[in-house]
Amino acid sequence: AQRVTQPEKLLSVFKGAPVELKCNYSYSGSPELFWYVQYSRQRLQLLLRHISRESIKGFTADLNKGETSFHLKKPFAQEEDSAMYYCALRTGNTGKLIFGQGTTLQVKP
Amino acid sequence: GAVVSQHPSRVICKSGTSVKIECRSLDFQATTMFWYRQFPKQSLMLMATSNEGSKATYEQGVEKDKFLINHASLTLSTLTVTSAHPEDSSFYICSARDARAGNSPLHFGNGTRLTVT
Repeated sequence: AQRVTQPEKLLSVFKGAPVELKCNYSYSGSPELFWYVQYSRQRLQLLLRHISRESIKGFTADLNKGETSFHLKKPFAQEEDSAMYYCALRTGNTGKLIFGQGTTLQVKP
Repeated sequence: GAVVSQHPSRVICKSGTSVKIECRSLDFQATTMFWYRQFPKQSLMLMATSNEGSKATYEQGVEKDKFLINHASLTLSTLTVTSAHPEDSSFYICSARDARAGNSPLHFGNGTRLTVT
């Protein structure tokens, strides 16, 4: 079965601390993984995708096929990073995304 | 960048009535659009895949006669919640992918908050 798991509902850190939002997936084929972010009162927007291998707003994520993980990391959290983060898996060529439960990141001053 | 417009942003209706939600891709063509439902503090659940010019594909457990989807053009998909009941109250979100960009990511609308009284 295709599934995305984000084990933490809430992650609270102080400004400047490192952040790691966990994401594990279950998929027998070749996965395509994404991280989406939703700031307060805004629409869901793409943060990054594993095939781009880029860093956006200081965030990076590496696909680990052995551990079936795609954890999102940032070395120094900022208050403006506070938001809801969703990990998503795209399977096949239909384009549909399967989302994890989401993790609320709270960065305290 | 690619923009997906969703209308209305919020709607309140009486039990038994039907509500139509529109999803438009403003600066790109989308042969496929997706409709999601989000309960408070929960994840997005895919309801159906809307295919331009053909029938929608519904996920398991989603009633196709209750959630009617029409994708009549490359830039518009509509979701109609028929004979709405209070349990249909939720946040509905559409998304679309640029048909010309083979591996492009999904772009999301702002969502529609439906409240059925």
